[in-house]
Amino acid sequence: DQQVKQNSPSLSVQEGRISILNCDYTNSMFDYFLWYKKYPAEGPTFLISISSIKDKNEDGRFTVFLNKSAKHLSLHIVPSQPGDSAVYFCAAIDQGGSEKLVFGKGTKLTVNP
Amino acid sequence: NAGVTQTPKFQVLKTGQSMTLQCAQDMNHEYMSWYRQDPGMGLRLIHYSVGAGITDQGEVPNGYNVSRSTTEDFPLRLLSAAPSQTSVYFCASSDRGLSNQPQHFGDGTRLSIL
Repeated sequence: DQQVKQNSPSLSVQEGRISILNCDYTNSMFDYFLWYKKYPAEGPTFLISISSIKDKNEDGRFTVFLNKSAKHLSLHIVPSQPGDSAVYFCAAIDQGGSEKLVFGKGTKLTVNP
Repeated sequence: NAGVTQTPKFQVLKTGQSMTLQCAQDMNHEYMSWYRQDPGMGLRLIHYSVGAGITDQGEVPNGYNVSRSTTEDFPLRLLSAAPSQTSVYFCASSDRGLSNQPQHFGDGTRLSIL
């Protein structure tokens, strides 16, 4: 059973516009969420995270929103740049449980110039 | 600034062969883990370790062994390679408490089993 779901395999946006990547989770014990970015032939790199005690976290052009009641989070990138083109993975963890990070399948973002 | 180093970057094996994927980190991180990435499957945890001498299974441990004799190294062993183990393998490390210390990943080992 997939506990972290990224239902959009791909997303294409124009440079300068907003990119919104979505993630849903099923395990109500998850209380910390992370987004990773991955370029081809490289390992994933950490982008931004959010604790379940918050509903929003910002870091420059990147903002993550968390809706606990809906078990949904989203990553907003504003404005989108061609260098943002990558695969984005959503991940979640139960901090009080096992130290296992659970990843979604990823969304490939393409930002067109 | 080596971070997490994985070797080799590429490897082709025949079914039934064994091999060890190496992973080393120079950040004195306690937590290390191995993932595999398959098309359309995201990253799946194989094994992890919370410190030297301590290992545990992840989501897909069958066919793999690990050991953690030092803080720096966390090798992944394929005992008898099978075509289903064709994948890209990533090693990661972090301080304890993943919420405060996001994992650092290596650049991966691309493994093909014929």
